[in-house]
Amino acid sequence: AQKITQTQPGMFVQEKEAVTLDCTYDTSDQSYGLFWYKQPSSGEMIFLIYQGSYDEQNATEGRYSLNFQKARKSANLVISASQLGDSAMYFCAMREAGTASKLTFGTGTRLQVTL
Amino acid sequence: GAVVSQHPSRVICKSGTSVKIECRSLDFQATTMFWYRQFPKQSLMLMATSNEGSKATYEQGVEKDKFLINHASLTLSTLTVTSAHPEDSSFYICSARASDRYSNQPQHFGDGTRLSIL
Repeated sequence: AQKITQTQPGMFVQEKEAVTLDCTYDTSDQSYGLFWYKQPSSGEMIFLIYQGSYDEQNATEGRYSLNFQKARKSANLVISASQLGDSAMYFCAMREAGTASKLTFGTGTRLQVTL
Repeated sequence: GAVVSQHPSRVICKSGTSVKIECRSLDFQATTMFWYRQFPKQSLMLMATSNEGSKATYEQGVEKDKFLINHASLTLSTLTVTSAHPEDSSFYICSARASDRYSNQPQHFGDGTRLSIL
């Protein structure tokens, strides 16, 4: 089974609108961390937001928020007030306890922000 | 924020050449660094975990003799693609995580190296 599933290969959103990028995960660990990274066409990986499995509140970082539903094993990224510069690939990743900090990445979602 | 520098950003070379890629953590110490490979329009695939002062841990299917990893200090890891062939052409990207016990520290990535073997 895939550890990280991103079911949306591509998404479009209009500038200034909000968009939700889906991510579900599979783990039997109680302690784990979930990350979202942005990869522009230039290739670098930019860390956006982190959610720990024991965090009771949803993580927020500026225009990014994480809709964490532990029972459903989902960690969706919400981008509010989209900007043209948000157009990029977005990857969800998970770090499980005891894996020497290794990250497992999903297949990514390409977000295109339109005028 | 934490900065990871990766060099070179792009390499074009002939088949049979060995290529060395450097990954440096500029403002933090990293006992562990990671090397990933990314094919076009695909996700990042972990190749190996680089441990300072000890041997790297390779993922299944990754050839140790082909992809040599050295982590000589707390701020530098190198990946050498030995006797590179066209099928080794790819985007290679490293990451590092600050050496502390807090699990919420993210991995910080270098800008990647685009390797093209002719």
